[in-house]
Amino acid sequence: GIQVEQSPPDLILQEGANSTLRCNFSDSVNNLQWFHQNPWGQLINLFYIPSGTKQNGRLSATTVATERYSLLYISSSQTTDSGVYFCAEFYGQNFVFGPGTRLSVLP
Amino acid sequence: KAGVTQTPRYLIKTRGQQVTLSCSPISGHRSVSWYQQTPGQGLQFLFEYFSETQRNKGNFPGRFSGRQFSNSRSEMNVSTLELGDSALYLCASSFNVVTEAFFGQGTRLTVV
Repeated sequence: GIQVEQSPPDLILQEGANSTLRCNFSDSVNNLQWFHQNPWGQLINLFYIPSGTKQNGRLSATTVATERYSLLYISSSQTTDSGVYFCAEFYGQNFVFGPGTRLSVLP
Repeated sequence: KAGVTQTPRYLIKTRGQQVTLSCSPISGHRSVSWYQQTPGQGLQFLFEYFSETQRNKGNFPGRFSGRQFSNSRSEMNVSTLELGDSALYLCASSFNVVTEAFFGQGTRLTVV
């Protein structure tokens, strides 16, 4: 099946800093989503981005399907951005998730 | 528009017991998928239901089962609980399984 890698595994930032999270896939990308898991465990949809670039406030994402990777950009980070960020690709009949990037934003 | 609702939020059970978790999808969504999240294994797919039919199942023992009702609400059941079943169980709702999915807040199950 498809393998999903995420980097970096952990990231610590000062409030106001920018960051880039990366997701690599071993197979073709068709239904990629980015999620933020909050401290209470809920997965919050950030982007549904099988290709191209999307922006939502301080967050943006780019997927280059032909090269099998996606990037999530967080600008002017805030403490509320802390949590784990997952990318997932729909493969077969279910989402396959990456291991996540744990982001800690310090005040 | 209401989101995905999972109940209960927290549950403590004893080894050997059984448990039933519930998921109410977003109105109009017919696909409900279940995932287990543990620190060691990450997020793993359990099963997916569409229009009351289980269409796909992950690599979990038969103690894990589920069903979907005509109103698209879904339940999953775990029988003969083991300590290793302690996890966050997440339900995802989508119009069809290949479209954008939305997750509930999860049910955190602790088996003691």
